[in-house]
Amino acid sequence: EDKVVQSPLSLVVHEGDTVTLNCSYEVTNFRSLLWYKQEKKAPTFLFMLTSSGIEKKSGRLSSILDKKELFSILNITATQTGDSAVYLCAVGNSGNTPLVFGKGTRLSVIA
Amino acid sequence: DTEVTQTPKHLVMGMTNKKSLKCEQHMGHRAMYWYKQKAKKPPELMFVYSYEKLSINESVPSRFSPECPNSSLLNLHLHALQPEDSALYLCASSPTAYNYGYTFGSGTRLTVV
Repeated sequence: EDKVVQSPLSLVVHEGDTVTLNCSYEVTNFRSLLWYKQEKKAPTFLFMLTSSGIEKKSGRLSSILDKKELFSILNITATQTGDSAVYLCAVGNSGNTPLVFGKGTRLSVIA
Repeated sequence: DTEVTQTPKHLVMGMTNKKSLKCEQHMGHRAMYWYKQKAKKPPELMFVYSYEKLSINESVPSRFSPECPNSSLLNLHLHALQPEDSALYLCASSPTAYNYGYTFGSGTRLTVV
């Protein structure tokens, strides 16, 4: 059975800190790993990663995938209170199956 | 238009009521999904429609009945729900069923009393 494990489950940091969120997976015929940010309601797309070692970057957020060790990290630098959210990791395979989601990491950034 | 629109945003219903959740997208996506999300849990897949045909039903109780009238619309009909069905119901779409470029709607927060 495909599995996605995120750690930590929750995290409290101060504004300006740098955080690293982890996502490990066990998926048959891995195809892609996605990161989403969920505030009150809809998860919003952050990154899709398919190749090892290639960093994807968007402003203060970046992510990288290691297909050998089966994990990905999401880094957020210079955190702001607006970064407070649940960060979801999801993995898809090359078969006809939908995304498998991890339980998420709840990040709280305090001023 | 790059959005998935869900209505209503909030719904309170009794256990004997019949109600429907609606989802609409105009991105030309041919796959649409219903997810259920309880507090502090990840989204759980309920149904997948691909080219307006139901392709996945994740053993969802029959009190939830999906309908896809056309490629832009997805409904979820609710009848005789239980209080434990209270959750955030998320709709998503993607270009095709196994293209993972999902776009999520803002969800309907359902409370069953």
